[in-house]
Amino acid sequence: NAGVTQTPKFQVLKTGQSMTLQCAQDMNHNSMYWYRQDPGMGLRLIYYSASEGTTDKGEVPNGYNVSRLNKREFSLRLESAAPSQTSVYFCASRQGTDHSGNTIYFGEGSWLTVV
Amino acid sequence: AQSVSQHNHHVILSEAASLELGCNYSYGGTVNLFWYVQYPGQHLQLLLKYFSGDPLVKGIKGFEAEFIKSKFSFNLRKPSVQWSDTAEYFCAVKASYDKVIFGPGTSLSVIP
Repeated sequence: NAGVTQTPKFQVLKTGQSMTLQCAQDMNHNSMYWYRQDPGMGLRLIYYSASEGTTDKGEVPNGYNVSRLNKREFSLRLESAAPSQTSVYFCASRQGTDHSGNTIYFGEGSWLTVV
Repeated sequence: AQSVSQHNHHVILSEAASLELGCNYSYGGTVNLFWYVQYPGQHLQLLLKYFSGDPLVKGIKGFEAEFIKSKFSFNLRKPSVQWSDTAEYFCAVKASYDKVIFGPGTSLSVIP
């Protein structure tokens, strides 16, 4: 089972460049998430989407945009990358609000370095 | 706004010692609570979760956690740790709508 798949796995960007991280899940989940993980700060929520067609800001949305393309796909875009966006990015999904307590499933992470 | 705090940044234990990792959250309504583990070089895996019922929940690998609503806490415990428990542990809370917030994590090192 593929679960949550995110691409690319590694990327180096120059300051000011743009890029999109892609995420897809094959579990028919309603909710999808983008987190960034930085040493000592845990996972911080960037954006989430509780259902197809909706997106909401998380804890650290500045500098990012998202698109919930369909139920399966949720992309994260950096319009003008900054060194502070160097991080490991995780996409995740879960069944959604009608199924309390269900697990979040994570992708394997995307390592992004902005120089 | 909801938030999650974890008491310890880094814990070092000898094998067979008992473990308790603290987690507190801020949110006044109904919550779902989770503990996730991240082993070196791997992505996050669910250890256990609470959403209703018995406040003492048991998870995989001998871990358990107790939800104390009056204290807004969800502490993780294990009676006897092993070297293979060396990992980073994250507490998380699902509160309003479908927003899931994680704590900053606790790094556990178990010395053989």
